[in-house]
Amino acid sequence: DAGVTQSPTHLIKTRGQHVTLRCSPISGHKSVSWYQQVLGQGPQFIFQYYEKEERGRGNFPDRFSARQFPNYSSELNVNALLLGDSALYLCASSLIRDRVSGELFFGEGSRLTVL
Amino acid sequence: DAKTTQPPSMDCAEGRAANLPCNHSTISGNEYVYWYRQIHSQGPQYIIHGLKNNETNEMASLIITEDRKSSTLILPHATLRDTAVYYCIVRGPTGANSKLTFGKGITLSVRP
Repeated sequence: DAGVTQSPTHLIKTRGQHVTLRCSPISGHKSVSWYQQVLGQGPQFIFQYYEKEERGRGNFPDRFSARQFPNYSSELNVNALLLGDSALYLCASSLIRDRVSGELFFGEGSRLTVL
Repeated sequence: DAKTTQPPSMDCAEGRAANLPCNHSTISGNEYVYWYRQIHSQGPQYIIHGLKNNETNEMASLIITEDRKSSTLILPHATLRDTAVYYCIVRGPTGANSKLTFGKGITLSVRP
């Protein structure tokens, strides 16, 4: 079975540009979460989507947005990129059983560099 | 979610047991202890979790003290591939909310 897949794996943008990152969850997982990991720190929660609705949002500016599609894949969008947005962006999926989330399965991440 | 405290780093010899400590003195009665690890340049990987009983799976054992204020992750026979950052996370029964709060973790270096 395929794990969580993310694309692109690496990308370089300049300040002020916009970026879209994509994630496909494990088959059968309907919950997708996004995390940002800057160098030397642990991952920080950005968003969770479950059944195509936003279920949680971390402490990130409105430049960050996301959505989930009918096939449960997800996109993370970041507008007006800043140098500080350079990071590894991780997507995780989980199975929700009896309205309780199981453990998270993470993808390999998309490494964004903003110049 | 309760905060966790881990030493920044530790090492152990290949083939020996690695015992990774974690303090979570403010843990509530319904909060779980989760462990994830992150090998360099990869996404975090789930290892194990527990509430109050000790747990064991094919990867590791989790020992939680009786007062639940601390726990130890045990890798029984560490290999070079176990070199990674290990995160101890306390997570409440938040239903469908899958948020995890990561700290800086502990860097385990396994030496030959």
